[in-house]
Amino acid sequence: EAGVTQFPSHSVIEKGQTVTLRCDPISGHDNLYWYRRVMGKEIKFLLHFVKESKQDESGMPNNRFLAERTGGTYSTLKVQPAELEDSGVYFCASSHVLHSYEQYFGPGTRLTVT
Amino acid sequence: DQQVKQNSPSLSVQEGRISILNCDYTNSMFDYFLWYKKYPAEGPTFLISISSIKDKNEDGRFTVFLNKSAKHLSLHIVPSQPGDSAVYFCAASAQAGTALIFGKGTTLSVSS
Repeated sequence: EAGVTQFPSHSVIEKGQTVTLRCDPISGHDNLYWYRRVMGKEIKFLLHFVKESKQDESGMPNNRFLAERTGGTYSTLKVQPAELEDSGVYFCASSHVLHSYEQYFGPGTRLTVT
Repeated sequence: DQQVKQNSPSLSVQEGRISILNCDYTNSMFDYFLWYKKYPAEGPTFLISISSIKDKNEDGRFTVFLNKSAKHLSLHIVPSQPGDSAVYFCAASAQAGTALIFGKGTTLSVSS
C-alpha cells in the first residue's frame, strides 16, 4: 500500500510569490491533516479535512494560506503571497476513519522563502 | 503555551543499553498519546501509542509508560540499536480523529 505522498519535496521562492503544495493521502483515508514544523520547533497543526470538508482550520496562521481538497482525494495548500516566516517543513498526514488516533505522515515539503 | 513538553533536546546512549525518552503534558483532556520517530528528510513514522486508560504498552523493544497523576509519559527502548538514532516526538490527542499536539522532539543518538 502506498503511503502519503507530497509534492514538491523542496521549494524555494521569493517573498511575495505564490507556492502550492500537494498531498496525496493513503487510498481510502477520509481524514487528511496539514502540519508545519518551523526551524526545529514542534510540529504544529494547521487544518483537518474529512473527505472534502474542512473539519478544523483553527491552526491556519492567516488568510494567506488556502487549503482545498477537491473530491475528497488529494489536497493542496496554497500560500499567497509568501512571507519569510512561512519557511519550514509542511507535513501532510492521513488516517482511515474519524475515530482513529494514529495518523500517517508524508515526507514533507521543505519551503524556503527568501 | 506548550501543552506537550519534551524537556531534553538530546540523549546519547550506547548500543545495547536502555534509552528513556520523557514527555510531560499539561492538558488533562488528552486521552491518547503517541510516539513518532523521524529520520532526516523523512516524515514522522508512528512508533507506539497508549490510551489514557492504560499505564503501559509494549511492542517489541519499545515500551511506553503513562503516569496520569504526574501527567508524564516515557518511552523505553531496550536494547538500543544504532538504527534507533533519530528524533523522537511525543504527541497527544483529546479526541480520535482530531489534531495531534506535538512536543519539540528529542534527538536520540545511539553509538556502537
